[in-house]
Amino acid sequence: GESVGLHLPTLSVQEGDNSIINCAYSNSASDYFIWYKQESGKGPQFIIDIRSNMDKRQGQRVTVLLNKTVKHLSLQIAATQPGDSAVYFCAENINQFYFGTGTSLTVIP
Amino acid sequence: DVKVTQSSRYLVKRTGEKVFLECVQDMDHENMFWYRQDPGLGLRLIYFSYDVKMKEKGDIPEGYSVSREKKERFSLILESASTNQTSMYLCASSFDYTGELFFGEGSRLTVL
Repeated sequence: GESVGLHLPTLSVQEGDNSIINCAYSNSASDYFIWYKQESGKGPQFIIDIRSNMDKRQGQRVTVLLNKTVKHLSLQIAATQPGDSAVYFCAENINQFYFGTGTSLTVIP
Repeated sequence: DVKVTQSSRYLVKRTGEKVFLECVQDMDHENMFWYRQDPGLGLRLIYFSYDVKMKEKGDIPEGYSVSREKKERFSLILESASTNQTSMYLCASSFDYTGELFFGEGSRLTVL
C-alpha cells in the first residue's frame, strides 16, 4: 500500500509563533493532497487542500507547500493559537486517500 | 452546515457480539467510506460505497461488512466482534470520489 509519513510525531510551539508540520508521501502519481486537523475526541476537519499542478496554496493563517521533486508536503500555521492544538495529518489521493499517522501540535501559552 | 452523523460515540461490546455502526450524511453525497483509526497506523480504509447498494472492499475488510440501502446511510457491521477490532471508527462522505472527505465525529468501540 501507499506510505504517507510525517517527520515528527509531536511538535510544541509558543503561542504567537509560526508552526511548520511536514509530511512525506511515496507515490509521485498522487494528484491531490489534503491537510486535516483532529481535535481530541472529534473527527478530522478539513484545513486546506492542494492539487499537484500547484506548489503553494494559502488559506486563512495556513499555507500548504508541495514539493513534488522530493515528494514533500508541509503545512504552515501563522501566529499559532491555543485553539490550534490538535493532531494534524496529511492525506494523498491516488485512486483512494492514504493518510499519514499525524503530528500532535501543542501550543504553549 | 454539512453534516456526517455517527449514531454512537462510544460502545462497549463483548467478544462474539454483532455490532452495528450507523452513519448518516445530509449532503446528498454519492460516496461514503468507513475507516478505522489506530495509534501509529493512521486511518485505514475498511469499505466504501459509491452508490446505493454498491460496496467495495478497502484495505482491511476482513471481519467487517457494510450495508447501503439508502443514499444517505452507510452501516458498518461486525458480525462477531473480536478484541482486535477495538478502535476508533470514522465514517466519511464525499461528492466526488477523489474530492474532499467530510468526516463524522467517530465511534469509539471497545470489545472486551
